[in-house]
Amino acid sequence: DGGITQSPKYLFRKEGQNVTLSCEQNLNHDAMYWYRQDPGQGLRLIYYSQIVNDFQKGDIAEGYSVSREKKESFPLTVTSAQKNPTAFYLCASSPGTGGGGYTFGSGTRLTVV
Amino acid sequence: AQKVTQAQTEISVVEKEDVTLDCVYETRDTTYYLFWYKQPPSGELVFLIRRNSFDEQNEISGRYSWNFQKSTSSFNFTITASQVVDSAVYFCALSEAQSGYSTLTFGKGTMLLVSP
Repeated sequence: DGGITQSPKYLFRKEGQNVTLSCEQNLNHDAMYWYRQDPGQGLRLIYYSQIVNDFQKGDIAEGYSVSREKKESFPLTVTSAQKNPTAFYLCASSPGTGGGGYTFGSGTRLTVV
Repeated sequence: AQKVTQAQTEISVVEKEDVTLDCVYETRDTTYYLFWYKQPPSGELVFLIRRNSFDEQNEISGRYSWNFQKSTSSFNFTITASQVVDSAVYFCALSEAQSGYSTLTFGKGTMLLVSP
């Protein structure tokens, strides 16, 4: 079945460490996105990518980095520069044109300990 | 810039009551898409509906119905005869189709609690 796989489901990080969240899709979608969710804040866009080897900052990109070396993969690195990384992270993909077809992964819950 | 406002942070109802979740949006585009998603406690987002800006017909799907009014920039969601399984966070979202990219802008969500 086509879909998006995010791993791991739960992730614990020590302060000062970088951590990478995985996102893989087999939907042949051109566009991929990373959102962050905090209680009462809704989902906020971190980064998005329309094509391979190209990506754009979203509303809250500071302290994060991404890569898009393959169409299927869009990993997100939470760096030590991110001051408050504890959150729920959702990856999504879409065909790339406006109008939807968005598919979301099941999310990764990151906790800094 | 696009914006979605869900003024209701939390709503509590008793089973079988009808409940309406409000959504107001702002956009400069004439072509856009509106969405509703459900997020149960497990965290995944469940797609409920997509509506484009040229289709103002109301839609009904079982106990769910949506009222799209461009004149008031609103896209409200009504659950009829609510059930405990409807308890979740509901998000309204907007995608602009003419801006060259199609990111989703979400409201902050409304938590719906349905008690037996």
